[in-house]
Amino acid sequence: QQQVKQSPQSLIVQKGGIPIINCAYENTAFDYFPWYQQFPGKGPALLIAIRPDVSEKKEGRFTISFNKSAKQFSLHIMDSQPGDSATYFCAASVVYSGTYKYIFGTGTRLKVLA
Amino acid sequence: DSGVTQTPKHLITATGQRVTLRCSPRSGDLSVYWYQQSLDQGLQFLIQYYNGEERAKGNILERFSAQQFPDLHSELNLSSLELGDSALYFCASSVNSGRLTGELFFGEGSRLTVL
Repeated sequence: QQQVKQSPQSLIVQKGGIPIINCAYENTAFDYFPWYQQFPGKGPALLIAIRPDVSEKKEGRFTISFNKSAKQFSLHIMDSQPGDSATYFCAASVVYSGTYKYIFGTGTRLKVLA
Repeated sequence: DSGVTQTPKHLITATGQRVTLRCSPRSGDLSVYWYQQSLDQGLQFLIQYYNGEERAKGNILERFSAQQFPDLHSELNLSSLELGDSALYFCASSVNSGRLTGELFFGEGSRLTVL
């Protein structure tokens, strides 16, 4: 119940393509669903996040689609660029014993070809 | 810059040795999380502290220990090091207040190489 399943493990797209990364969860108590972007040798950084009361959130070229009934959410990168090549982690979190409990997906390595 | 500071950035040591990794959370953040990331692997949760107290434990080996001090900085101690302990160790912090969860801020990591 505490897992977040992420797919695919890796993804290669051409510049301008729209990579889509999917995540699924089981615990309906999760109330925050962030996506983190990590470049090699760097720490993960928050890219975009959504709460379950909305079905979609856009920030620039990045969009989260959220399906509460299916317990799934996905990241879409519009007009992808070589600079978007990175590892992307989805996560889900919930307040637990007065603090935040985060569950991370296994990551998707994205490569955008020039 | 996330505001989370980790030292050292790089560390090379030998098997059997002991090292200490240090983390200063963002100003005002009460919670510190430690993660291990091996080559091409995901983020393995090790342990969480909240305002000085241990709150959650993940896949942390008995050879590893951590603590959070009154000034809220945290240290991760790794002992009897093995080759397989070579990894990036990340510290993250969060304010951890209110009814809803919020952002987790990661440091740049400490890269440990065990030879």
